[in-house]
Amino acid sequence: KAGVTQTPRYLIKTRGQQVTLSCSPISGHRSVSWYQQTPGQGLQFLFEYFSETQRNKGNFPGRFSGRQFSNSRSEMNVSTLELGDSALYLCASTAGGPNTGELFFGEGSRLTVL
Amino acid sequence: GENVEQHPSTLSVQEGDSAVIKCTYSDSASNYFPWYKQELGKGPQLIIDIRSNVGEKKDQRIAVTLNKTAKHFSLHITETQPEDSAVYFCAASSSGGGADGLTFGKGTHLIIQP
Repeated sequence: KAGVTQTPRYLIKTRGQQVTLSCSPISGHRSVSWYQQTPGQGLQFLFEYFSETQRNKGNFPGRFSGRQFSNSRSEMNVSTLELGDSALYLCASTAGGPNTGELFFGEGSRLTVL
Repeated sequence: GENVEQHPSTLSVQEGDSAVIKCTYSDSASNYFPWYKQELGKGPQLIIDIRSNVGEKKDQRIAVTLNKTAKHFSLHITETQPEDSAVYFCAASSSGGGADGLTFGKGTHLIIQP
């Protein structure tokens, strides 16, 4: 069974640009969540999707957005990039409903903003 | 909201010795406490979890203890090996699992010295 797949793995952008990251969950998983990981700040929750609906959103500005498609694949978008957006963006999926189960993480998309 | 404090941020131990990582949480409604291990270049992976109706859980060289009264929980690794070198994250949730309401600590970088 394939794991969580995130693309692209690495990308470099400049301030003011926008970026779209993609996440394909484990087959059969319907809940997808996104996290921002920076040194010293740990894993900060961005948002969670279940059945194409955003269930929860973390404390991030509106420049951060996401969506989920009918096949459970998810994308997140960051507009008007800032230097502080440089981070590893992790996606995780869960097997059961939104409040159950282990999180299965992808390897992340490392974003560098210059 | 929930606040999870994790200590220490870096822990260096000799191979074969034990390692202990401690976390405290603020929300008395938290009932699920997972621990994730993140190896270099990979996403976090669940290694053990405990629910609030249990005081201790063991899985080979890894154990987790929970003190609900004091609102703290700890990860114990015995007979440490080089492959234990990684970043460890504790987390707390009031929803019993999944991403909803899951708050992570900032992580502990465990270094196993040969």
